[in-house]
Amino acid sequence: GAVVSQHPSWVICKSGTSVKIECRSLDFQATTMFWYRQFPKQSLMLMATSNEGSKATYEQGVEKDKFLINHASLTLSTLTVTSAHPEDSSFYICSARDPGGVRNEQFFGPGTRLTVL
Amino acid sequence: QKEVEQNSGPLSVPEGAIASLNCTYSDRVSQSFFWYRQYSGKSPELIMSIYSNGDKEDGRFTAQLNKASQYVSLLIRDSQPSDSATYLCALDAGGTSYGKLTFGQGTILTVHP
Repeated sequence: GAVVSQHPSWVICKSGTSVKIECRSLDFQATTMFWYRQFPKQSLMLMATSNEGSKATYEQGVEKDKFLINHASLTLSTLTVTSAHPEDSSFYICSARDPGGVRNEQFFGPGTRLTVL
Repeated sequence: QKEVEQNSGPLSVPEGAIASLNCTYSDRVSQSFFWYRQYSGKSPELIMSIYSNGDKEDGRFTAQLNKASQYVSLLIRDSQPSDSATYLCALDAGGTSYGKLTFGQGTILTVHP
């Protein structure tokens, strides 16, 4: 399957700071990437759809001013958690669909574990 | 009302047995269905995708889809301890939601030696 990377794999920050997470498609170009959040013992919740060259589409209840998404190229999407607070501590995972792959299979990055102190 | 339902388990099977994981969904227009495996602390890994009614086999894994009854299942033959993980059922409703996956809560599978 297609390969998606994320950086960093984990980050610890102080409350009030901003954190940027990168998601890259390594062997294909992704016009669309997705950002998920997963709390302990819960399933994945879609936060937003990242579209190359246009604004992201946020799911209901997700603050777009807090979770800034930029999809500046066909291989890179970034998620910035602004003014992070302890309740933002979670596992953030991106995914991408390979347009040249099988139907609409999505492949996930390894995830970024964010801890806000 | 949840769109994708899974029994959270845990489901415990002995090594070598068949593990059967089930998933039901509420949206009749859903077109694409996926099974992901997620080890503790890791991100999901795609195991199977299925789009048409019937069975689809890949190695020890068989996905079954019945759109009339709105369920999709995953069978794991000759279960191994390394299969112990959470299995997530996901669907793509298509249409204006094309590409957006909705996940079930996941079923925890434990394969004991």
